[in-house]
Amino acid sequence: DSGVTQTPKHLITATGQRVTLRCSPRSGDLSVYWYQQSLDQGLQFLIHYYNGEERAKGNILERFSAQQFPDLHSELNLSSLELGDSALYFCASSVGDRQRDTQYFGPGTRLTVL
Amino acid sequence: AQRVTQPEKLLSVFKGAPVELKCNYSYSGSPELFWYVQYSRQRLQLLLRHISRESIKGFTADLNKGETSFHLKKPFAQEEDSAMYYCALRVDSNYQLIWGAGTKLIIKP
Repeated sequence: DSGVTQTPKHLITATGQRVTLRCSPRSGDLSVYWYQQSLDQGLQFLIHYYNGEERAKGNILERFSAQQFPDLHSELNLSSLELGDSALYFCASSVGDRQRDTQYFGPGTRLTVL
Repeated sequence: AQRVTQPEKLLSVFKGAPVELKCNYSYSGSPELFWYVQYSRQRLQLLLRHISRESIKGFTADLNKGETSFHLKKPFAQEEDSAMYYCALRVDSNYQLIWGAGTKLIIKP
């Protein structure tokens, strides 16, 4: 499968903990986007990286951070977790950072904070 | 502020009936609009985008700038169309997607 991959599929942790979600973009894609999907907020854009550089920030909390590595995979770090952080976290990738690039989504990581 | 509104959380129609999923947007710039679909247990995937003007799986959507709408239509629904449908707006400032809340479409046999 040369599509976007995300690991792990599921993550269960406790409040106050820290987790790392990983995303590998499609082969050849330089842009990675992170989204959060929760029941009450719907899909929310978190952050966009292009070729290792942060390009845009959305509704990302200060407790959350992300980075894109030289091999173009990306990690989303969530710290001091709260119950409300339980959600599905999607990663998407696109070829470049141009307005007309299509974003392709990964299967998501389901985070449950207990 | 930019916003996408999908007024129907749930839409249920019979197989063979026409389907219209509503999407309205609020954006002062030049909008780029998309419909994404999420079938059960599958990832989000692009269904169509307004700049392509294509018909995918029998669905079409026309951007109406006067009404700020991008409704998704299909003349004859099929059972395999049952899924969650999301309308999204891309703003030209930073390319982020702004999402509607989604509409769950159920096609009854």
